[in-house]
Amino acid sequence: GQQLNQSPQSMFIQEGEDVSMNCTSSSIFNTWLWYKQEPGEGPVLLIALYKAGELTSNGRLTAQFGITRKDSFLNISASIPSDVGIYFCAGRILTGGGNKLTFGTGTQLKVEL
Amino acid sequence: GAVVSQHPSRVICKSGTSVKIECRSLDFQATTMFWYRQFPKQSLMLMATSNEGSKATYEQGVEKDKFLINHASLTLSTLTVTSAHPEDSSFYICSARTRGNTEAFFGQGTRLTVV
Repeated sequence: GQQLNQSPQSMFIQEGEDVSMNCTSSSIFNTWLWYKQEPGEGPVLLIALYKAGELTSNGRLTAQFGITRKDSFLNISASIPSDVGIYFCAGRILTGGGNKLTFGTGTQLKVEL
Repeated sequence: GAVVSQHPSRVICKSGTSVKIECRSLDFQATTMFWYRQFPKQSLMLMATSNEGSKATYEQGVEKDKFLINHASLTLSTLTVTSAHPEDSSFYICSARTRGNTEAFFGQGTRLTVV
């Protein structure tokens, strides 16, 4: 099935640094979602975006729905050790796709103390 | 927030046997449930979508006779992996949503190991 391209694939950063990751697609999506998954767990929703150009924050996390509707960005400010995990973007096409989500390839974040 | 619970969290079964995984919505009625499979270091791949009371819709390449999905009630969906083989070993995750424009909540996943 289709996957969204996410970059970077992994990041190893210092505590306190800001983090940026993005997700791109060849298809237009109506919804972009960002999830975090920890080892052995299911994904947890962080931010949901429903309109092109929308910029939404959740604490230290900020995500944007690209105006072309083919990309999205997630920024984490002042990273802390508990930010470690795998971050997935997910897109949804409402027309003909029902409520199905297509997941990105994931960005693994490692934080060095 | 809404809670989706999967059981078991881990299961080991012998090759050729069948194993059933349950997905329950604990505090809401799940009109739609989704089943995903995730191989190590890979993304989640949708296997099938099930609406309560109707047959599941399988994604291309997913064998419906091998992965039996039942969504008989508004709080429970089951995935049965029939005649499991080592290549079926994976992390299976369900998600559930209720009617309306709400996002689905994910279960904690089930690690299946076929030996």
